[in-house]
Amino acid sequence: AQSVSQHNHHVILSEAASLELGCNYSYGGTVNLFWYVQYPGQHLQLLLKYFSGDPLVKGIKGFEAEFIKSKFSFNLRKPSVQWSDTAEYFCAVNAQNYGQNFVFGPGTRLSVLP
Amino acid sequence: GAGVSQSPSNKVTEKGKDVELRCDPISGHTALYWYRQSLGQGLEFLIYFQGNSAPDKSGLPSDRFSAERTGGSVSTLTIQRTQQEDSAVYLCASSPPGGASRYEQYFGPGTRLTVT
Repeated sequence: AQSVSQHNHHVILSEAASLELGCNYSYGGTVNLFWYVQYPGQHLQLLLKYFSGDPLVKGIKGFEAEFIKSKFSFNLRKPSVQWSDTAEYFCAVNAQNYGQNFVFGPGTRLSVLP
Repeated sequence: GAGVSQSPSNKVTEKGKDVELRCDPISGHTALYWYRQSLGQGLEFLIYFQGNSAPDKSGLPSDRFSAERTGGSVSTLTIQRTQQEDSAVYLCASSPPGGASRYEQYFGPGTRLTVT
């Protein structure tokens, strides 16, 4: 069965610090990869996605993620966080042989201190 | 345009009662998903509808849980004989048809269910 792990439960950073949130998945086949974000009091929304091609993908608000197939990883990065990035971040995987089923990680809560 | 809507936003029920949760997807979206999010947990897949195909029910945790989607649009998730462990936020998402966009999910605000 597929699974997704996110290494950090809660990350606390000061503004302007760099961010990297880890995501690893267990599935040996072709995957589609996603990061979703949930700001306080708001819906989950898509941050960025990877289907194929360049393993470095850019999303909204200056976020990017790198797919490293050999490591089964899809880590999320941002060079300089802002207070408004305070949110919960979820990694999700869709294995292409599983149709449109998605497996989500447990989430990482990011707190950015002003 | 309008996003995914869910009702009620909050539901408190007594153990043993049945509850119905409603989801209105974005117009034109053919795929509809139900997830459960328990406190401190990620999203647990429950069920997935795609057009007129038979739903994927592989995530339903027990036979107390069922869902239907009428006319390819509105969906209702029903939990019978609720238990305290059913307390969670139930999220609905929909996806448009065709191409890579069909993998992009648009989430509703969720229904917070509390079983007392």
